[in-house]
Amino acid sequence: QAQLVESGGGVIQPGRSLRVSCAASGFLFSGYGMHWVRQAPGKGLEWVAVIWHDGSNINYADSVKGRFTISRDNSKNTLYLQMDSLRAEDTAVYYCARDYHRTSVDSWGQGTLVTVST
Amino acid sequence: DIQMTQSPSSLSASVGDTVTITCRASQGIRASVSWYQQKPGKAPDSLLYAASRLHSGVPSKFSGSGSGTDFTLTISSLQPEDCATYYCQQYFSYPWTFGQGTKVEIK
Repeated sequence: QAQLVESGGGVIQPGRSLRVSCAASGFLFSGYGMHWVRQAPGKGLEWVAVIWHDGSNINYADSVKGRFTISRDNSKNTLYLQMDSLRAEDTAVYYCARDYHRTSVDSWGQGTLVTVST
Repeated sequence: DIQMTQSPSSLSASVGDTVTITCRASQGIRASVSWYQQKPGKAPDSLLYAASRLHSGVPSKFSGSGSGTDFTLTISSLQPEDCATYYCQQYFSYPWTFGQGTKVEIK
């Protein structure tokens, strides 16, 4: 049973940086691509980024390209999202999710809330 | 980017009804659509991929169809536990994009 646990969310001022993490267990982490998906309060889902199982391919949403960096440490079974130059519109619950054959995601974490505010 | 447009944005139906949600892509995407269910305050759950294939453990009351630009999610024998917001998502090309969601309620 795959388990994904996000951490690192909080309140951060605009323009600052924050890194959120996702600890994976219950499956072979190094064999799966991983995604970040976010959801602003009261809004729909927005895909943020993907990293392939070995880190060889990475893609971002246009809204975060150049500001966010997805990475992973397979030795620690952990996925990261480094968020720089944060804006108010980045306020959201950030979910990590396991890729399913590049068609969808099949397991989700519980999410971590990032609030960008003065 | 590929736009995904869902309709309706919300619907209300009776217990036992069959409901259908539609998702239209801004360009042809073959069968590259997934569907998710999200209940209030919870992370989403994955329902289908490849337009019509159920993820493991998903009950057969959920079904999907479509190819090209038009897709549907059908929920048969609607039950109170099916009250949720449903999202379509395309994976034909990056960036992946979601529809805006359809909220399903019991009448």
